[in-house]
Amino acid sequence: GQSLEQPSEVTAVEGAIVQINCTYQTSGFYGLSWYQQHDGGAPTFLSYNALDGLEETGRFSSFLSRSDSYGYLLLQELQMKDSASYFCAVRDQGGKLIFGQGTELSVKP
Amino acid sequence: ETGVTQTPRHLVMGMTNKKSLKCEQHLGHNAMYWYKQSAKKPLELMFVYSLEERVENNSVPSRFSPECPNSSHLFLHLHTLQPEDSALYLCASSQDLTGVSNEKLFFGSGTQLSVL
Repeated sequence: GQSLEQPSEVTAVEGAIVQINCTYQTSGFYGLSWYQQHDGGAPTFLSYNALDGLEETGRFSSFLSRSDSYGYLLLQELQMKDSASYFCAVRDQGGKLIFGQGTELSVKP
Repeated sequence: ETGVTQTPRHLVMGMTNKKSLKCEQHLGHNAMYWYKQSAKKPLELMFVYSLEERVENNSVPSRFSPECPNSSHLFLHLHTLQPEDSALYLCASSQDLTGVSNEKLFFGSGTQLSVL
């Protein structure tokens, strides 16, 4: 089966850099995704890593190490609007996304 | 706006009621999903439809009954629910079920369900 571990809460200040880690155990691996969900809103896709390395999209970057079954989401130049829950997800052998429990990020002034 | 619309946004029902949740996607996608989101828990996959055919039923109790009349619409029919079924129910769609395009799900804003 699949399982994903990520911290439940992270707090940081505006302008700072924060890293949200995700470790996973899967019977097959096809890539690691990240989603953002604001309180009361829909989860929205942020990034996807199928290969090792860093993918950068503006202030957000995502990293994957398949040998370590580990990835992270890096948020730079934090803004108040980045306060949200962040979920990592992996695709199982049947092609469906399985999500972690989510990390609640609080950005303080 | 994600292109996936869910109604109602909020629903309160008694344990003996029957209600339905509705989801509509305007993206031309072929796969649709129901997820359950409870506080402090991962999103739990409930049902998956691909080209209107159910391909996954993740050991969901029979008091939840999905229906997919066409590739744009998905329903979740509810009857004789329990208080522990109170949660946010999220609908999502993707281009296809498998392949790289599946990595990107488009979610609706969900229906917050309270069972009294």
